Amino acid sequence: KAGVTQTPRYLIKTRGQQVTLSCSPISGHRSVSWYQQTPGQGLQFLFEYFSETQRNKGNFPGRFSGRQFSNSRSEMNVSTLELGDSALYLCASSLGTSETQYFGPGTRLLVL
Amino acid sequence: QQPVQSPQAVILREGEDAVINCSSSKALYSVHWYRQKHGEAPVFLMILLKGGEQKGHEKISASFNEKKQQSSLYLTASQLSYSGTYFCGTEISGGSNYKLTFGKGTLLTVNP
Repeated sequence: KAGVTQTPRYLIKTRGQQVTLSCSPISGHRSVSWYQQTPGQGLQFLFEYFSETQRNKGNFPGRFSGRQFSNSRSEMNVSTLELGDSALYLCASSLGTSETQYFGPGTRLLVL
Repeated sequence: QQPVQSPQAVILREGEDAVINCSSSKALYSVHWYRQKHGEAPVFLMILLKGGEQKGHEKISASFNEKKQQSSLYLTASQLSYSGTYFCGTEISGGSNYKLTFGKGTLLTVNP
């Protein structure tokens, strides 16, 4: 089985721009979660989608949004980028609640 | 509520044992353990569920004390490959939505 894939792997943007990151879960997985990882804050939960519905959202501003498509692929969007948004964005898929989460390799975003 | 991990860092020689602890102030439904090597995505180690069910696929053991809202990860006869940052992720009991909150991590270094 192919693992979780994320595109792009690296991204450089400037302040004020917006960015869209993509995540393709493991086949058959309907739950997709997004995390932001930084050296200072560690792994922070962004949101989780299950069958195209956002089930939970972390404590991030409204500039962070996401969606999930009928094939379980997910995208997250960050608008009006700030320097502090520089981070590794990880996507994880699972069969459902309280199941093993399998992480993708992440997208490293640098905001200049 | 972010779980608290201890110790923050530990250095071992090959063959030694280590225990990593994870504590929460909230009643927990499940505790997930992951290991992340530098520059790589987190990799699943173990899930412990309320009620005692335990899921894992590596030869690493863990315990979950529901009364104390604590979990401990036991690494015995450590190998060089055990080096990395260990994260616990907690799921709050009674929550209607799936949300994993991670601790800040424990950096484990195994030396020859």
